[in-house]
Amino acid sequence: DFQMTQSPSSLSASVGDRVTITCQASQDIKNYLNWYQFKPGEAPRLLIFDASKLETGVPSRFSGSGFGTDFTLTISSLQPEDVATYYCQQYDLLPRTFGQGTKLEIK
Amino acid sequence: QVHLQESGPGLVRPSETLSLTCTVSAGSISTYHWAWIRQLPGSGLEWIGYVSYIGSATYNPSLKSRVTMSVDTSKNQFSLKVTSVTAADTAIYYCTRGGGTWQYWGQGTLVTVSS
Repeated sequence: DFQMTQSPSSLSASVGDRVTITCQASQDIKNYLNWYQFKPGEAPRLLIFDASKLETGVPSRFSGSGFGTDFTLTISSLQPEDVATYYCQQYDLLPRTFGQGTKLEIK
Repeated sequence: QVHLQESGPGLVRPSETLSLTCTVSAGSISTYHWAWIRQLPGSGLEWIGYVSYIGSATYNPSLKSRVTMSVDTSKNQFSLKVTSVTAADTAIYYCTRGGGTWQYWGQGTLVTVSS
């Protein structure tokens, strides 16, 4: 069965820190990988699509990289408003699937 | 800016049918695919399926036997039905636009399955 493995499951960092979240696919999904931000009570937000393209309106401190099976979401300088849960998601295969999520907190 | 809003009962009895509607505003439903995704307590996100504007649907095999999606272009709405619900169907249900990349989402609606 196809698997998406996201790590870490939780992360605590200081304002201004560089934060990295990884997502690994169990088979090649090319660049069909998106990253989302979830905050309680809000509509989820698309941050990165096609593995590395920044969605309109998303701050440039967010970036994505990777191709094939290994992907990374990076926040270059963590801000208080970045407290959220982040998910990767593949759309190469059906059913569409998500990583397990990374809960990001401020230290 | 496209806006999506979920509506429906917040409480459903076990074995009954969960029914939700998503209303799309500031944009026509007569293009794109329209999807439902749920966030299970402590268990992450699950794609339920999507439906095209002409009504052709694709479902997650894990739910396929219990799920029906439909589109009402006259009302700019699309709908989800899940039959024979159990406590395991308790989740926040989101509607969203797209077949694989979801740019626009509703805020989500909590559906609790309980007697």
